Amino acid sequence: EVQLVESGGGLVQPGGSLRLSCAASGFIFSSFDMSWVRQAPGKGLEWVSTLIGSSGDTYYADSVKGRFTISRDNSKNTLYLQMTSLRAEDAAVYYCSKGSAIDYSGQGTLVTVSS
Amino acid sequence: DVVMTQSPLSLPVTLGQPASISCRSSQSLVHSGGTTYLNWFLQRPGQSPRRLIYMVSHRDSGVPDRFSGSGSGTDFTLKISRVETEDVGVYYCMQATHWPRTFGQGTKVEIK
Repeated sequence: EVQLVESGGGLVQPGGSLRLSCAASGFIFSSFDMSWVRQAPGKGLEWVSTLIGSSGDTYYADSVKGRFTISRDNSKNTLYLQMTSLRAEDAAVYYCSKGSAIDYSGQGTLVTVSS
Repeated sequence: DVVMTQSPLSLPVTLGQPASISCRSSQSLVHSGGTTYLNWFLQRPGQSPRRLIYMVSHRDSGVPDRFSGSGSGTDFTLKISRVETEDVGVYYCMQATHWPRTFGQGTKVEIK
């Protein structure tokens, strides 16, 4: 059974940094593309970033490019999202997802950006 | 970026009756390899999104066969043959052909 468990969310001040983690199990992690999707309070879904498993290529939404970095540790079956220069509009639930087509998502971790 | 436009945005339905949601893209979703990467998701209240349909018409494992997807090019439809209580939530289409990936605004399905 596929499981994705996000952690690392919390309250951060504008301009601050946070690193999200996603522990994966139930599939061969190193073989798959992995993504982050977010949802601001009361809003729709927004794709954030994807890391291609086979090549290591990364893709980012324009809204986070240059501020967020997606990475993975295949030895730990863990996906990361390093977020810097956080803004109020980055506040959202962040979902870790299997695949570049969002095959399956975890339960999410809440990021709050406020002073 | 590819803009995904869903309609309607709100859909009151009667239990046991059919329902249909439209999703249109601002450009063709046919990939250079010939496959069309259009997905449908359901987000029930308080839950994470769950993919129902991938590549236009393929149901994910465990998805009831009352859900069906169709369409081509820029015009796609999700149909529920007979709505059940557990189908309540927000439905999103998403294109996975082009970067960046983009979602529709969401269609809220509720029981009349």
